Amino acid sequence: DSGVTQTPKHLITATGQRVTLRCSPRSGDLSVYWYQQSLDQGLQFLIQYYNGEERAKGNILERFSAQQFPDLHSELNLSSLELGDSALYFCASSAPTSGTRGANVLTFGAGSRLTVL
Amino acid sequence: QQPVQSPQAVILREGEDAVINCSSSKALYSVHWYRQKHGEAPVFLMILLKGGEQKGHDKISASFNEKKQQSSLYLTASQLSYSGTYFCGTEWYSSASKIIFGSGTRLSIRP
Repeated sequence: DSGVTQTPKHLITATGQRVTLRCSPRSGDLSVYWYQQSLDQGLQFLIQYYNGEERAKGNILERFSAQQFPDLHSELNLSSLELGDSALYFCASSAPTSGTRGANVLTFGAGSRLTVL
Repeated sequence: QQPVQSPQAVILREGEDAVINCSSSKALYSVHWYRQKHGEAPVFLMILLKGGEQKGHDKISASFNEKKQQSSLYLTASQLSYSGTYFCGTEWYSSASKIIFGSGTRLSIRP
């Protein structure tokens, strides 16, 4: 157990629907990252939050949004789902010294596998 | 733009050595290395922060050439447990604290 909790582990839904993925970081970690991994592909950076504020953004679609709450858990919202959104979505958190580059060692959660039919 | 990893895949016999390379078109601030086993989450191996820095982790080590904007991961006397996909992650001077990963190198170890 890495200490990063993601729910749900698996999710099957239909095109056009909306889902919310949830992430609880390791105790004490302030930063949360979201990555998308399509089948046997690399890790595509979506977005990063640090202590409730958006810190960095990747190639995140407009249909996707995220936020980090005061208790530091984060949610990734995916709407108007398409078949191509089927993927494993990882959340990662990093240590309290994060926020400055070079100190962001990532601890990944087990991922949420989304299947869009 | 993501860093470029090479090779894309490598097959070794137990006990053989391997080198995985990671290069960036942008000036690197740090390089991270992670290993992902099939069906699992990526796991941190090491981070290199300074140009020329070399770090080791058991028989896995890495170097970082800041001038060439490259890093290499060295796996010595490979064991079956080394199998998996290795990702390098880069932080750039020109960006915020986002970590961009390469496409990965799939390493298979045969007994």
